[in-house]
Amino acid sequence: NAGVTQTPKFQVLKTGQSMTLQCAQDMNHNSMYWYRQDPGMGLRLIYYSASEGTTDKGEVPNGYNVSRLNKREFSLRLESAAPSQTSVYFCASSEIGHSYEQYFGPGTRLTVT
Amino acid sequence: RKEVEQDPGPFNVPEGATVAFNCTYSNSASQSFFWYRQDCRKEPKLLMSVYSSGNEDGRFTAQLNRASQYISLLIRDSKLSDSATYLCAVPTYGGSQGNLIFGKGTKLSVKP
Repeated sequence: NAGVTQTPKFQVLKTGQSMTLQCAQDMNHNSMYWYRQDPGMGLRLIYYSASEGTTDKGEVPNGYNVSRLNKREFSLRLESAAPSQTSVYFCASSEIGHSYEQYFGPGTRLTVT
Repeated sequence: RKEVEQDPGPFNVPEGATVAFNCTYSNSASQSFFWYRQDCRKEPKLLMSVYSSGNEDGRFTAQLNRASQYISLLIRDSKLSDSATYLCAVPTYGGSQGNLIFGKGTKLSVKP
């Protein structure tokens, strides 16, 4: 099992460019999450999907959109990147009933110049 | 009180030492608590889950104090490989539903 995979690992964008971060899990989990991690701020939830077909905003959703493509895949899109979105982005997944035992992908390091 | 608070450290300890970190939480209805370990430039990984008064796994012990609303992580006989940041996580709601709120982490550095 690969667990949770994320692509790309690194990305540099110019202000105003768009991009999609991809996430996939092979653990048959129902719930998936996107976090960002900034120095001094800890992990903050951007969006989550409790199950296939549903998505909800987390703590910091502004500037992002998500798509739960199927049970395995959950993508995060930045429509018009801003320097404030420079961060490390983690995708995670969990099983219903164990929603707190989350398993994380390796992260995407994004720099917006 | 912030929802989840941790002492950022760093805690610098020699090999073989016993070290403990605390994490305070504000949601008195929380029933479960989690410690994650995050190595430098890596993803967080679940270390321990606490569903009742505490949990023990080898050199690691997690304890819950509901009256004072904190959980602690005790590491005995510290190893160099224990050097990492330890994140505390608490559900946003009580019971078994909701998302996790993470503390900012406590950095541990174990020296030879």
